[in-house]
Amino acid sequence: NAGVTQTPKFQVLKTGQSMTLQCAQDMNHEYMSWYRQDPGMGLRLIHYSVGAGITDQGEVPNGYNVSRSTTEDFPLRLLSAAPSQTSVYFCASSFQGEGGEQYFGPGTRLTVT
Amino acid sequence: GEDVEQSLFLSVREGDSSVINCTYTDSSSTYLYWYKQEPGAGLQLLTYIFSNMDMKQDQRLTVLLNKKDKHLSLRIADTQTGDSAIYFCAESGGATNKLIFGTGTLLAVQP
Repeated sequence: NAGVTQTPKFQVLKTGQSMTLQCAQDMNHEYMSWYRQDPGMGLRLIHYSVGAGITDQGEVPNGYNVSRSTTEDFPLRLLSAAPSQTSVYFCASSFQGEGGEQYFGPGTRLTVT
Repeated sequence: GEDVEQSLFLSVREGDSSVINCTYTDSSSTYLYWYKQEPGAGLQLLTYIFSNMDMKQDQRLTVLLNKKDKHLSLRIADTQTGDSAIYFCAESGGATNKLIFGTGTLLAVQP
């Protein structure tokens, strides 16, 4: 049981490049989400999904796309990277319904130059 | 909109108690959480409290909730150097898993 895994751990992009951050979980969780963490701002929700085929926007969705074709995977796509997207990105998953523990991945540190 | 606020930094001596405070604005929050983040790692759930409770104790951790003032606190008894980390308060409301996080409090424990 690997929990929530994220790849890569580190990435450097040039402005305008695109890339996909991978997230996978093996706990059969319905709910998955992406957050970004910036100094002094806590974690902010980018996109989330309540099950395969269903996604929705969070607080800061601009510049990011997601899809959920399987229960296990929830990739985050940066279409045209900008320096403002330099951040640490965390994926999380949980069973659907309030009050449950959300399990976080180890994070991807992204730098856009 | 919803907002969660925390002080940014707390320094304590090993063996003392630490109290980390949090205020929130969403009165419909039904669960409030405390997460811990060690350097270079993801977030780990420490404890959570349902909004109809005033207090929850779990070993060295005590959570106090003042729903009238929308104030949440986490007390760590006998603080150890291994408790040094960033602590995040978070709230969720309604039939949703969405979490609103505070800015995080960096706890530094001096030996």
